[in-house]
Amino acid sequence: AQSVTQLDSQVPVFEEAPVELRCNYSSSVSVYLFWYVQYPNQGLQLLLKYLSGSTLVKGINGFEAEFNKSQTSFHLRKPSVHISDTAEYFCAVSVGGSQGNLIFGKGTKLSVKP
Amino acid sequence: SQTIHQWPATLVQPVGSPLSLECTVEGTSNPNLYWYRQAAGRGLQLLFYSVGIGQISSEVPQNLSASRPQDRQFILSSKKLLLSDSGFYLCAWSVLQDRWGELFFGEGSRLTVL
Repeated sequence: AQSVTQLDSQVPVFEEAPVELRCNYSSSVSVYLFWYVQYPNQGLQLLLKYLSGSTLVKGINGFEAEFNKSQTSFHLRKPSVHISDTAEYFCAVSVGGSQGNLIFGKGTKLSVKP
Repeated sequence: SQTIHQWPATLVQPVGSPLSLECTVEGTSNPNLYWYRQAAGRGLQLLFYSVGIGQISSEVPQNLSASRPQDRQFILSSKKLLLSDSGFYLCAWSVLQDRWGELFFGEGSRLTVL
């Protein structure tokens, strides 16, 4: 069975600082990887996804993530954060198909301070 | 383009009262549909998913039920709410033939049971 671990439940950073949100997964088969963002009292929006090909994936709002198969990681990064990036971020893994098998981590709350 | 609507956005209900949350998808046919619950500190929990009209799979036994009376309509119900049913409920859809499991979320419904 697949699982996702987000190592930090909360990450406070100052505006314009770089940030990395960590995500590790476990799976015995090939996976597809996603990062979603949730702003307060809203649904989840897709930030980026890794399906195949280049291991460095660029998403919306200046975020990027790198798939590392040997370390089973898919960490999310941004070189300079803004106040508006304050949100909760979810890492998710799928082994394919579309029958409810997208497994989510417990989320990381990013808090950007001025 | 595809859109997903959930209502009501906010609901406060007494213990023992019934519940009905509704979700409608526009701009696509034969979507897979999902209900997730988000409780504080527990991440996203898949409650139900449906691959077609009248076809419901339950992931977690509980006080809730789901129905899909029409292709693009998904309803979450309860006959008698418990305090533990409080949370943020998210409806989502995916493309029937999507190989990767990517989900698209609604804006959510916040339920408070008193």
